[in-house]
Amino acid sequence: RKEVEQDPGPFNVPEGATVAFNCTYSNSASQSFFWYRQDCRKEPKLLMSVYSSGNEDGRFTAQLNRASQYISLLIRDSKLSDSATYLCVVAGTGFQKLVFGTGTRLLVSP
Amino acid sequence: ETGVTQSPTHLIKTRGQQVTLRCSSQSGHNTVSWYQQALGQGPQFIFQYYREEENGRGNFPPRFSGLQFPNYSSELNVNALELDDSALYLCASSLDRHNEQFFGPGTRLTVL
Repeated sequence: RKEVEQDPGPFNVPEGATVAFNCTYSNSASQSFFWYRQDCRKEPKLLMSVYSSGNEDGRFTAQLNRASQYISLLIRDSKLSDSATYLCVVAGTGFQKLVFGTGTRLLVSP
Repeated sequence: ETGVTQSPTHLIKTRGQQVTLRCSSQSGHNTVSWYQQALGQGPQFIFQYYREEENGRGNFPPRFSGLQFPNYSSELNVNALELDDSALYLCASSLDRHNEQFFGPGTRLTVL
C-alpha cells in the first residue's frame, strides 16, 4: 500500500466550477502536510500547507483530518490556469523527507 | 524562478553506465534533497544532504550515492544504470533541514 494515496484523475471541469481533491496517508506519525502543484514537465511548487484547523488562500481551501488520516483541497471558481497536477504531500518534522502522492490531474476547460 | 539550478537538462545513457547529476542550491541554503519522479508518479525521496553530511535516505539501493560540497551544491551519482532508472531527477534546496524545499527544474534521464 502506498504511503500517500490519491485519485489520479483526470478531473475535467468547466471554468467556474468547484472541484475537490482528497488524499489519505498511512503513517500516523506524519506531522506536516502540504499540497504542491506541478505543471506539465515542470518542477513541483508549494501551493499551501495544511493545518488541522483548515486554512484558506483565496480560492483554495485545505483541510486535514488527523483521526481519519485524510487531507483535502477545494478549488472554487476554477480558472484555466488551474490546470495542473496537484500533489498531496506528507512529512515528518517541517519539510523533512517529503512523501508525495501520485498526484491528481486537473483539466479546466472554457 | 527558485534560484535552484540543475545540470544537465537531459541525458541519455545505456544500461550499466554511470551518471552524475548536479544541483546548485539557492544562495544561503545549506540543505539539498534529491527525488526521483518516474512518469505518472509523484517524486520519491532519494536522500538529503545537510551541511555536507547525508541526513536521511529513502528506499533506494546503494548504487544511488550523493555528495554535498562546501558551497552546498550537490551531486547525485547512479552506478550500473537500469532501464527503470529512467525518470526526472529533482533536487530541492532549503534554508535548513526543516524549511520549505524549493525545487530545481530537474534532469530528465533516459536509460536505453
